Formats: sequence, structure tokens, C-alpha cells
Amino acid sequence: DQQVKQNSPSLSVQEGRISILNCDYTNSMFDYFLWYKKYPAEGPTFLISISSIKDKNEDGRFTVFLNKSAKHLSLHIVPSQPGDSAVYFCAAWSGNQFYFGTGTSLTVIP
Amino acid sequence: KAGVTQTPRYLIKTRGQQVTLSCSPISGHRSVSWYQQTPGQGLQFLFEYFSETQRNKGNFPGRFSGRQFSNSRSEMNVSTLELGDSALYLCASSLHGRASSGEQFFGPGTRLTVL
Repeated sequence: DQQVKQNSPSLSVQEGRISILNCDYTNSMFDYFLWYKKYPAEGPTFLISISSIKDKNEDGRFTVFLNKSAKHLSLHIVPSQPGDSAVYFCAAWSGNQFYFGTGTSLTVIP
Repeated sequence: KAGVTQTPRYLIKTRGQQVTLSCSPISGHRSVSWYQQTPGQGLQFLFEYFSETQRNKGNFPGRFSGRQFSNSRSEMNVSTLELGDSALYLCASSLHGRASSGEQFFGPGTRLTVL
């Protein structure tokens, strides 16, 4: 049973515009959330995280929003750049392991 | 600081065989986790080793096993390979294996193909 879901397998955005990637989870006990970026032939690399006691965390062009009541988090990339084209995974921490979503492939069109 | 390394990068096996994958974590990291990545399932947690002990285990059959050595290097073994075991196997290292201690650092993965 997939406890972390990314319902959009792919997303295309024009360079300079905003990219919004979404993630839903089912377990209300998750207390820490992360986003990873993955290029082909490489392992995922950490992007940004948020604790469940916060509803927003910002790092440069990347902002993660957490809506605990809706069990939903999103990653905003502003402005989007061609180098942001990659697969993005959200992950949630249960207390003893990470649960990952299936990933969203972002393409930023120059 | 050197990153996480995994060997081999690519592997082709036939059904029924067994395979051993290796992971060397970042120096000083004591936690190593293993994940299976398939197109439809994303990253699925296999198990985590910390200080040579399996600390957590995901929902995979007993054919999947692992171990960790005193230098924190870890190996993962899959016995009696099945076609469905074809996947990218990723290992990740972290200082303590807890979310609060920081993110995991992933290796490039081993691509296993079972024919």
C-alpha cells in the first residue's frame, strides 16, 4: 500500500515560470518530509525538507508547503530553469524508515 | 569527502541465481539503507543497517538479506532471483539514520537485470 503518493507522473513548465509538484500521504504519524531530485544514472540528491511543526520552508528558489489537515505537501520552484529538469521524489519519515513517492518527472522548456 | 559508492553499476543474472551488491558509505556515516526502485513503485525501503546490526526492515521476502561490516560498508544479497527483481538498487548513507540528523546521501545505484 503506497503511503506516499505523487499522482502526476510528469510535468512540463516553461523556463522562468513556476513549477508546482504535489505529494499526498496517508499516515498522520509522519513527522518529517523531504524532497529529492534525481538525474538519470545518478542517485537522488536531497533538495529541501520540512518538519511537521511547520507549514512552510524556503531555500532559494525552492519552497515546500505542508498542509497537515489535507495530508498534502507541495514543492514550488520559482523561477524554473532548464537545469531543474529531473525526477522529483517526495519522502516522509515514519520514525524508523523513509517512505517515498513514485516520482514526478519535471521538464523545463527553454 | 568521497560520496557513496556502489558496485557493480550494472549486473545481468538469470532466474534462480543469486547476487551480491556492495555499498560503501560516506566516511563517518554509520547508517546504510537499501532501496529498490522500479518504474511503478518508486523507491521501496528494503532494510537499514546501523553499527553492523539490522535496525529496520521493509516488507520484502526473506530472499533479500544484507549485512554491514565494521567499516560500515554494506552488502545486499538476493537469492533465487526472479524476473520481478529487475530494478535499480540504491543504497543511502547517513550519520545516524534518523530524519532529525540530516538527509540521506544516495549512491548511483546498481542496475540489476534478471533474464
